[in-house]
Amino acid sequence: DQQVKQNSPSLSVQEGRISILNCDYTNSMFDYFLWYKKYPAEGPTFLISISSIKDKNEDGRFTVFLNKSAKHLSLHIVPSQPGDSAVYFCAAKVTNDYKLSFGAGTTVTVRA
Amino acid sequence: GAGVSQSPSNKVTEKGKDVELRCDPISGHTALYWYRQSLGQGLEFLIYFQGNSAPDKSGLPSDRFSAERTGGSVSTLTIQRTQQEDSAVYLCASSLAVAVRELFFGEGSRLTVL
Repeated sequence: DQQVKQNSPSLSVQEGRISILNCDYTNSMFDYFLWYKKYPAEGPTFLISISSIKDKNEDGRFTVFLNKSAKHLSLHIVPSQPGDSAVYFCAAKVTNDYKLSFGAGTTVTVRA
Repeated sequence: GAGVSQSPSNKVTEKGKDVELRCDPISGHTALYWYRQSLGQGLEFLIYFQGNSAPDKSGLPSDRFSAERTGGSVSTLTIQRTQQEDSAVYLCASSLAVAVRELFFGEGSRLTVL
């Protein structure tokens, strides 16, 4: 039962342009959302998160938007850089629960 | 080291053999998690430990899978009588406590069952 879905398996973007990654979830109990970034042969590393009490969180070039009514979140990377080429996982949890539910990931390729 | 350490990084085995995967969490992290990622899939939760106890084993795919944690530190995931569908990257993560939001992942153990 996939509670977190990333429907785009890959995204190619030119350096300097915006990357937009999308994520949908089905469990209305989720109240905390995270994005992880993964390079080949490395473990996922935390990138940015957002609580359900907010609709936007920004950290440098990375901004996450949350639309609770649509059960949708997105990650914007502006401007995209070659070092951003990686797999990005969306994850969600219920506060005080132990389990993070992950999407299947979106592979981002930034073209020079 | 300072991060989560997993071994082996790569394991190729024959169908029917047993394998052990090891995870050494960040020092002081009481919570430890095992996830796996099959080809084209997201991270699938397997089991978590609070200290040495595993309150929820429901994510383990079958009774061929077991895990233990000793001394509140190192954990071992054992897969008995491996099958080809067990081929995946097995990721271990740790956190300061169970309900802490951010997990710190190791590099994973890639298991290939021939």
